[in-house]
Amino acid sequence: NAGVTQTPKFQVLKTGQSMTLQCAQDMNHNSMYWYRQDPGMGLRLIYYSASEGTTDKGEVPNGYNVSRLNKREFSLRLESAAPSQTSVYFCASSEPGSGTDTQYFGPGTRLTVL
Amino acid sequence: QKEVEQNSGPLSVPEGAIASLNCTYSDRGSQSFFWYRQYSGKSPELIMFIYSNGDKEDGRFTAQLNKASQYVSLLIRDSQPSDSATYLCAVSSGSARQLTFGSGTQLTVLP
Repeated sequence: NAGVTQTPKFQVLKTGQSMTLQCAQDMNHNSMYWYRQDPGMGLRLIYYSASEGTTDKGEVPNGYNVSRLNKREFSLRLESAAPSQTSVYFCASSEPGSGTDTQYFGPGTRLTVL
Repeated sequence: QKEVEQNSGPLSVPEGAIASLNCTYSDRGSQSFFWYRQYSGKSPELIMFIYSNGDKEDGRFTAQLNKASQYVSLLIRDSQPSDSATYLCAVSSGSARQLTFGSGTQLTVLP
């Protein structure tokens, strides 16, 4: 069981470039989430997908789009990267209502936008 | 705007002491409460979760929840240097149990 995997681990972009962060989970969870973490801060929710086929905005969705490709995969796209999007991005998954509601996190993608 | 506030750090305790971490939240509809530990450069890992008022113990860790006061805490007994990390309080709400995180408290356990 790999749990939650993310690719790439590191990425450097120039302002205006686009990229997609990939996330996959093998725990058969229905819900998946994308967070960003800035230095000295907690995690902030960007987008989430309660179940396959649905996506919703979180606290900081501007500048991002998401795709729930199937039950396993949830991608995050930056269409035109800005320096303010320099951050560590974490993907997570959970099974709400399972009794624990625990979210399990991937290893993160460290993104720098120059 | 849902808010989660944690006691400002950093917090330093000697090895073997009790570390006390506190958290308050604004959304009375919050359903579940979590403590995650995050080592530098790593992803958050779950330490404890609690749903009901009162105490929940797991080894050296005790989580306490008071929904009337909108307060949740984490006690770490017999603190070890390996407990040195940032501790994140998180509160879930909504149909997808979205998490709102506090900014974290950095704990250092001194040998």
